[in-house]
Amino acid sequence: EAGVAQSPRYKIIEKRQSVAFWCNPISGHATLYWYQQILGQGPKLLIQFQNNGVVDDSQLPKDRFSAERLKGVDSTLKIQPAKLEDSAVYLCASSLSGGEVTEAFFGQGTRLTVV
Amino acid sequence: AQTVTQSQPEMSVQEAETVTLSCTYDTSENNYYLFWYKQPPSRQMILVIRQEAYKQQNATENRFSVNFQKAAKSFSLKISDSQLGDTAMYFCAFGAGYSTLTFGKGTMLLVSP
Repeated sequence: EAGVAQSPRYKIIEKRQSVAFWCNPISGHATLYWYQQILGQGPKLLIQFQNNGVVDDSQLPKDRFSAERLKGVDSTLKIQPAKLEDSAVYLCASSLSGGEVTEAFFGQGTRLTVV
Repeated sequence: AQTVTQSQPEMSVQEAETVTLSCTYDTSENNYYLFWYKQPPSRQMILVIRQEAYKQQNATENRFSVNFQKAAKSFSLKISDSQLGDTAMYFCAFGAGYSTLTFGKGTMLLVSP
């Protein structure tokens, strides 16, 4: 079974530029998460999708971050414009359930450096 | 809102020894799940073990076991016969109902020869 795929693995941009990350969840997984993990900390949820609908985006900085999950499969996370404090690893995860929390499977993440 | 606390930023253990990582949580939920995830330098989060709150029996997966104390809201991870490959960040996580996982800040475990 293929795992959660993310690209790119690494990205370096200057502040005020824009960047986009892509995630392909495990086939059949209804729930998709984007987490932000700052160095030395645990992952923090940015947004949770159930199929192609948003379940929780309360911690997403909506003035600069956006995310979409078209057709309930792949997802993209965009930052525009980026700030220095956005430097972090962005993790995508998916889970099978139709809602109730179960085990989440993670991708390898994208390390973003904003200079 | 749920909170997860890992009070040990770093732990060290020698190969073949046993180590216990601590985790406490706070919730008003009665039915929930607790997880330990491992994150090696490759960054991929891997599930180590999972515990359903309604189960009194502690979960065990090979060398990994938990001590789940529901009343105390404590969920510690015991690693027996530690191996060099166990070196990683370990995150405790909480999930309930339809909400997402809440993670602690992690414990860096270093296994030395």
